[in-house]
Amino acid sequence: AQKVTQAQTEISVVEKEDVTLDCVYETRDTTYYLFWYKQPPSGELVFLIRRNSFDEQNEISGRYSWNFQKSTSSFNFTITASQVVDSAVYFCALSEAPQGGSEKLVFGKGTKLTVNP
Amino acid sequence: SQTIHQWPATLVQPVGSPLSLECTVEGTSNPNLYWYRQAAGRGLQLLFYSIGIDQISSEVPQNLSASRPQDRQFILSSKKLLLSDSGFYLCAWRSKAGGLNTGELFFGEGSRLTVL
Repeated sequence: AQKVTQAQTEISVVEKEDVTLDCVYETRDTTYYLFWYKQPPSGELVFLIRRNSFDEQNEISGRYSWNFQKSTSSFNFTITASQVVDSAVYFCALSEAPQGGSEKLVFGKGTKLTVNP
Repeated sequence: SQTIHQWPATLVQPVGSPLSLECTVEGTSNPNLYWYRQAAGRGLQLLFYSIGIDQISSEVPQNLSASRPQDRQFILSSKKLLLSDSGFYLCAWRSKAGGLNTGELFFGEGSRLTVL
């Protein structure tokens, strides 16, 4: 069965620090998709990135970067030079491919990031 | 462009009362639709998903139900609310583009339900 673990419940940093949010997943499928979402205080979930299981290249988007390592079943998210506006709850999620799995997106419990000025 | 709306945004209901949360998607056709619940201090729990009209899959046993009377309308209901039904309910849609259901979910604004 699909499972996503975000061991860090809460993280607090000072502005301009780098911070890494951990995500470990479990799946029996060889084809799957990983996601990160941001949930600001307003509550709506904002999509950040999708990565498929065949693409282990790290990705960078501005101050955000993602490190996907199949060997350790991890998909970690790093924010460089954090800002107060980065304060939110961040969710990692997993979706198995339709051939071997279901339509579901399974989420971790989230990591609450607080960036202090 | 596609949009998703859900309402009401906030709801306070007594135990034992009925519930109806509505979600509507615009700008796309034949989407997959989802209801998630986020309880305080917990992650997102998938409650129901639907791949088409009147096609509903339930993920967890509970006193909630879902219906999809139209292609882009998804309704979450209960006949009698329990205290444990309190939480933040999120509707989401996902494209079936290319026949593959591997894309990201797009979420509505959420509905905060408090059962007293």
